[in-house]
Amino acid sequence: QQQVRQSPQSLTVWEGETAILNCSYEDSTFNYFPWYQQFPGEGPALLISIRSVSDKKEDGRFTIFFNKREKKLSLHITDSQPGDSATYFCAAANSGTYQRFGTGTKLQVVP
Amino acid sequence: EAAVTQSPRNKVAVTGGKVTLSCNQTNNHNNMYWYRQDTGHGLRLIHYSYGAGSTEKGDIPDGYKASRPSQENFSLILELATPSQTSVYFCASGPTGGNTGQLYFGEGSKLTVL
Repeated sequence: QQQVRQSPQSLTVWEGETAILNCSYEDSTFNYFPWYQQFPGEGPALLISIRSVSDKKEDGRFTIFFNKREKKLSLHITDSQPGDSATYFCAAANSGTYQRFGTGTKLQVVP
Repeated sequence: EAAVTQSPRNKVAVTGGKVTLSCNQTNNHNNMYWYRQDTGHGLRLIHYSYGAGSTEKGDIPDGYKASRPSQENFSLILELATPSQTSVYFCASGPTGGNTGQLYFGEGSKLTVL
């Protein structure tokens, strides 16, 4: 059973546009949601994370919006750059479980 | 700087052969993990460990064993490799508790089973 779901599977945006990546989860006890960025040939690396006590987290051009009631998150990448082209994974966890990952969104930013 | 190193980075094995993937971390993290990554499936957890001497089954443990002989080292063992185990494998380390903080991943080990 896929406890963390992501959409779309792939996304293409033009340079300068805002990319929106979606994530949803099943377990209402999840309270930590990291997003990882993965470039080809590399391991995933933490990009930004949010805890369930917050509904928004910003870090430069990257913003997470969190809706606890609907069990949904989204990652907004504003002013997208070709260097943002990567696969993005949403994950979820609570204190008693390991991080569970979604299937990822492959983002391509076209110059 | 947090570091997780995996070896080998590339491996070609024959069906029925034994494969060992090794992982070393210098983060002094208690928890270590082995994931496999396949198109359409994302990252799936095979085995994990809470510390030296402990191993736990993840979501897809069948066909795999794990060994944690020390805080720093965590191995994934395929006793009888099959073509379905062709994949990219990632090791990660992290603090105690799934929601405590980020995981640190190695660069991956690409395994091809012929």
